[in-house]
Amino acid sequence: DTAVSQTPKYLVTQMGNDKSIKCEQNLGHDTMYWYKQDSKKFLKIMFSYNNKELIINETVPNRFSPKSPDKAHLNLHINSLELGDSAVYFCASSPRDRGRNYGYTFGSGTRLTVV
Amino acid sequence: RKEVEQDPGPFNVPEGATVAFNCTYSNSASQSFFWYRQDCRKEPKLLMSVYSSGNEDGRFTAQLNRASQYISLLIRDSKLSDSATYLCVVNTDKLIFGTGTRLQVFP
Repeated sequence: DTAVSQTPKYLVTQMGNDKSIKCEQNLGHDTMYWYKQDSKKFLKIMFSYNNKELIINETVPNRFSPKSPDKAHLNLHINSLELGDSAVYFCASSPRDRGRNYGYTFGSGTRLTVV
Repeated sequence: RKEVEQDPGPFNVPEGATVAFNCTYSNSASQSFFWYRQDCRKEPKLLMSVYSSGNEDGRFTAQLNRASQYISLLIRDSKLSDSATYLCVVNTDKLIFGTGTRLQVFP
């Protein structure tokens, strides 16, 4: 069983398009995250949701809109895609109170290429 | 200044060698600390947590010095399969990742 699953794994799209990435976790965790890993391999947090409530929003352009229909799902919608959005997007989850000591579990990533 | 700083490497070592990675962090209010491992084109995976008392997991030893805001990872008897990028990670209200140190173990 995959603990944190993301779809799609690969996404190639043209500038200006709108696309969504989906994430689901079956670990029973309360908190979910989106991270972006750029071409220099730097992993940076974008958003965090705790039990469907947004708790972290790291100065991400408002073209990026996360949505959490329930605590097991966190989707990422991106409007008007730009070349600079090309990156690998990782979803992650953690237990709410134990995350600080036990780290996060990551999905396998979505490689987005904007052409 | 980056919140978590690491030497990017690469560290090229022969099998059986001992190799050490270091990391410094800027936020003295950081609550917990980890080393993650990331293989090429894969997701980061938790290698081990890091405690002030030092902790060991097989060939891996992690150490935290809160006064110096310094974290280390020691790998003994390196294996080919240890080749990966090692990410130093600090938890404030979220996980902050270093840029990683690349390790290449050769036969």
